[in-house]
Amino acid sequence: KAGVTQTPRYLIKTRGQQVTLSCSPISGHRSVSWYQQTPGQGLQFLFEYFSETQRNKGNFPGRFSGRQFSNSRSEMNVSTLELGDSALYLCASSLGDRVYEQYFGPGTRLTVT
Amino acid sequence: AQSVTQPDIHITVSEGASLELRCNYSYGATPYLFWYVQSPGQGLQLLLKYFSGDTLVQGIKGFEAEFKRSQSSFNLRKPSVHWSDAAEYFCAVAMDSSYKLIFGSGTRLLVRP
Repeated sequence: KAGVTQTPRYLIKTRGQQVTLSCSPISGHRSVSWYQQTPGQGLQFLFEYFSETQRNKGNFPGRFSGRQFSNSRSEMNVSTLELGDSALYLCASSLGDRVYEQYFGPGTRLTVT
Repeated sequence: AQSVTQPDIHITVSEGASLELRCNYSYGATPYLFWYVQSPGQGLQLLLKYFSGDTLVQGIKGFEAEFKRSQSSFNLRKPSVHWSDAAEYFCAVAMDSSYKLIFGSGTRLLVRP
């Protein structure tokens, strides 16, 4: 079974621009979560989607948004990029009912200049 | 609020030596507990999980972890470390129906030849 895939793997953007990251979960998984990883803050939860509904959201500004499609694929968007948004963005999928183990993709490395 | 503490930022062990990585959590009830490993530039790989039942759980790559409720700990162990185990290790907790993982700050494992 194919794992979680994330595209693109690397991105370089300029301050003020916006960016969209994509995540395809493991086949049969209906939950997709997003995490931001930085050296200073570690791994922080952004949001989680299940059946196109956001069930939980982390403590991030409204510039960070996401959505999930009917095929469970998910996208996250960051508008008005700031230097501090430079990070590894990780997507994870799980079956989705209650709490199941989450399986992570390789991440998208975003650099904001 | 729930939190996870990994008190050791770095640990260095010799190849063939035993390993124990510490993890303590703060939560009123028994959470779901996980250990993940991350190699440089990669996503997170699930090593093992504890949901309930036997407090000693076995994982992949020869790792095991023991849940101790009285100490709010979930320490990761391996009897004999291989050079390929050098990576960063993250402990994580989740609550039922929270749909998110809370991660510790990670422990970087270095393996001496």
